[in-house]
Amino acid sequence: EVQLVESGGGLVQPGRSLRLSCAASGFTFDDYAMHWVRQAPGKGLEWVSGISWNSGSIGYADSVKGRFTISRDNAKNSLYLQMNSLRAEDTALYYCAKDITPAARQWGSFDYWGQGTLVTVSS
Amino acid sequence: SSELTQDPAVSVALGQTVRITCQGDSLRSYYASWYQQKPGQAPVLVIYGKNNRPSGIPDRFSGSSSGNTASLTITGAQAEDEADYYCNSRDSSGNHQVVFGGGTKLTVL
Repeated sequence: EVQLVESGGGLVQPGRSLRLSCAASGFTFDDYAMHWVRQAPGKGLEWVSGISWNSGSIGYADSVKGRFTISRDNAKNSLYLQMNSLRAEDTALYYCAKDITPAARQWGSFDYWGQGTLVTVSS
Repeated sequence: SSELTQDPAVSVALGQTVRITCQGDSLRSYYASWYQQKPGQAPVLVIYGKNNRPSGIPDRFSGSSSGNTASLTITGAQAEDEADYYCNSRDSSGNHQVVFGGGTKLTVL
């Protein structure tokens, strides 16, 4: 059974940092691209960042470029999101999602999602 | 980056057919994927690629595409299909980005 379990969310002040983690199991982690998708309270889905199977291709939404860094550790079956210079508008439920493909060329279909970890940016 | 546009809300009578659409320039180059999200739950992939359903998704869900428009069709809508539906696709800007539509709230009457 595929499982994606996010952790690391919480309440943080504007301008501070937070690191999210996603522990994956039930599939061959290094065969697939992985992504972070967020959802602000009462709002729609927003793709945040994606990373290919070997970390060779990485993409970011314009809204987080330069502030967030995605990474993965295939030996630990884990995905990470380092979030710096956090803003109130980054407040959201952050989902880890598995792609159906390993590479960036055709990525964008997410067949498994975690339950999310809540990030609240407020003073 | 490009955008995907969805109608905010659509309704359908129980047992009838409904089409939910998604428009955007990226759809001229890439297929859309469709997700169903019920309150308090994570999204679920229902359609991907040309018209592929993941295991466990009922065959009343189907997808199609023409030009810059992708469509999700539910043939014989059931009460349990009431949910938010989101489309997404790879962005065509060349920056390895992915874009989501704003979502469509489906009400089954």
